[in-house]
Amino acid sequence: AQTVTQSQPEMSVQEAETVTLSCTYDTSENNYYLFWYKQPPSRQMILVIRQEAYKQQNATENRFSVNFQKAAKSFSLKISDSQLGDTAMYFCAFMKPTNYGGATNKLIFGTGTLLAVQP
Amino acid sequence: EAGVTQFPSHSVIEKGQTVTLRCDPISGHDNLYWYRRVMGKEIKFLLHFVKESKQDESGMPNNRFLAERTGGTYSTLKVQPAELEDSGVYFCASSQEGPREGNTEAFFGQGTRLTVV
Repeated sequence: AQTVTQSQPEMSVQEAETVTLSCTYDTSENNYYLFWYKQPPSRQMILVIRQEAYKQQNATENRFSVNFQKAAKSFSLKISDSQLGDTAMYFCAFMKPTNYGGATNKLIFGTGTLLAVQP
Repeated sequence: EAGVTQFPSHSVIEKGQTVTLRCDPISGHDNLYWYRRVMGKEIKFLLHFVKESKQDESGMPNNRFLAERTGGTYSTLKVQPAELEDSGVYFCASSQEGPREGNTEAFFGQGTRLTVV
């Protein structure tokens, strides 16, 4: 069974600084997807970034980038130039995709990291 | 376009009572998922609908939980009778493509915070 571990329950960063959130996972699969989701206080959880395991290049979305180390089963999220609006709970998630009908693309989440961006 | 909406946003009930949570997915999304986060723990999968059919309900904790998706539109999750350990945040998510599209983004609602006292 797949597991996802986020070892940092809470983190704090100063506005405009860079912060890295850690995530490790365990799987015997070779093809899978990894995600970082963000849930601001009292708001919907939204997808921040996605990484396909077969891609060696690390995914990047504006100020958000990942460091994907497949052999080490590590998937950290780097937030550059942190903004107050980045304050949120961040969840790392794993998904083993299916390519046949009748299957479920369910997400396996970590416990989350609460990030506070300080002014 | 409206996102995934969940009702209510908060619910406080007594042990033994019944509560029904509702999720309205994004229009046209065949896939609907329910997840739950117990305080301080990971978000766990409960079940998956494809249209009105239950595709996977392996994450449902026990038979006190009943999920329905009438007509393949909105979904309800009923807890009857509620127990203290049912407290948590219940998330609903929907996605457009079928399981063949492994990289399809799941859109989440804001969650329903359920407190059983």
